Amino acid sequence: NAGVTQTPKFRILKIGQSMTLQCAQDMNHNYMYWYRQDPGMGLKLIYYSVGAGITDKGEVPNGYNVSRSTTEDFPLRLELAAPSQTSVYFCASSYSRDGAKNIQYFGAGTRLSVL
Amino acid sequence: SQKIEQNSEALNIQEGKTATLTCNYTNYSPAYLQWYRQDPGRGPVFLLLIRENEKEKRKERLKVTFDTTLKQSLFHITASQPADSATYLCALDGHTGNQFYFGTGTSLTVIP
Repeated sequence: NAGVTQTPKFRILKIGQSMTLQCAQDMNHNYMYWYRQDPGMGLKLIYYSVGAGITDKGEVPNGYNVSRSTTEDFPLRLELAAPSQTSVYFCASSYSRDGAKNIQYFGAGTRLSVL
Repeated sequence: SQKIEQNSEALNIQEGKTATLTCNYTNYSPAYLQWYRQDPGRGPVFLLLIRENEKEKRKERLKVTFDTTLKQSLFHITASQPADSATYLCALDGHTGNQFYFGTGTSLTVIP
């Protein structure tokens, strides 16, 4: 199994440009997450989804949007890129069930620079 | 809001010794706590989960303790090896269990 796949691996954007970070999982997990990780900092939750058609904001949602039309895919949209969005973005998925709740499986990350 | 603190300084230890990493939290009572390992340029990988009613959990050379009174978890790696060198993150679940809050991580280097 591929697990959690993120594309692209690297991207450079100009200020004001838009882009979509793709995330797909093949584990039939119901929960999916988007985090950003800045140097020397922990992971900050941007958005999450508990199932297809359901999304909710995390700690740092401003400047981002998400959608979850299928169980497998959870794209993250940046509409007007700003230098403050320079970061490494991680997508994760988990299967919530009693006794083994929310062990998260992460993708390899997307390194984004906004110049 | 939740505040999670891990050893701010990088930890360097000699091969064969026991590494002990600390995770402290405030303003919160999580139902469980997780530890992840992250290698440079890669996503975190799950290691261990411990619930609030468990004092200790073991997996091979790894041991986690969870003291809800002190609001602290300790992560131990016994008989450490250079391959254990990585950043280790603790994570706490949110009130609904849908959100997670990660610490900043502790960088561990095991010196041969």
